[in-house]
Amino acid sequence: KAGVTQTPRYLIKTRGQQVTLSCSPISGHRSVSWYQQTPGQGLQFLFEYFSETQRNKGNFPGRFSGRQFSNSRSEMNVSTLELGDSALYLCASSTGTWNTEAFFGQGTRLTVV
Amino acid sequence: TQLLEQSPQFLSIQEGENLTVYCNSSSVFSSLQWYRQEPGEGPVLLVTVVTGGEVKKLKRLTFQFGDARKDSSLHITAAQPGDTGLYLCAGGENTNAGKSTFGDGTTLTVKP
Repeated sequence: KAGVTQTPRYLIKTRGQQVTLSCSPISGHRSVSWYQQTPGQGLQFLFEYFSETQRNKGNFPGRFSGRQFSNSRSEMNVSTLELGDSALYLCASSTGTWNTEAFFGQGTRLTVV
Repeated sequence: TQLLEQSPQFLSIQEGENLTVYCNSSSVFSSLQWYRQEPGEGPVLLVTVVTGGEVKKLKRLTFQFGDARKDSSLHITAAQPGDTGLYLCAGGENTNAGKSTFGDGTTLTVKP
């Protein structure tokens, strides 16, 4: 069974640009959650998509958005990049039901210069 | 907002020593997961506990969920250099099936 796949693994962008990250969940999983991880803030929840609908949302500005497709693959978009957006972006795949286990991808390392 | 506090934040020990990492909250969680993460990689799920008082063992690792489901501990016996990494606890929220709250993590270094 294939794991969670995130692409690309590494990305360098310039301030003001936008970026799209992709996450393919484990087959059969309908929930994809996105997290931002930085040394100072730890793992911060961005949002969760379940069956193509955003079900939960963290406390991030509107520059951070996402979507989920009918095959459960999800994309995350960050517009007008800031230096502080440099981080490891992780997606987690789960069935989306109560007490389900979440499995993470390897992450996308975004560097904004 | 539910918060999870992990302690200690950093831990450096010699190979063969035992250690315990704690994860505490004032909130009740429906479940709690422990993950281990290596630099530049995603967290890898170690265990999920869902019942108050539950104890699970994974080789040299013992995980316990508090009776009130507000806290958890991870005990490692005879630590090895391969145990080095960032250990994260994450709590499943009672009102949001798809959202987990993560602790800030414990960075463990095991010296040979």
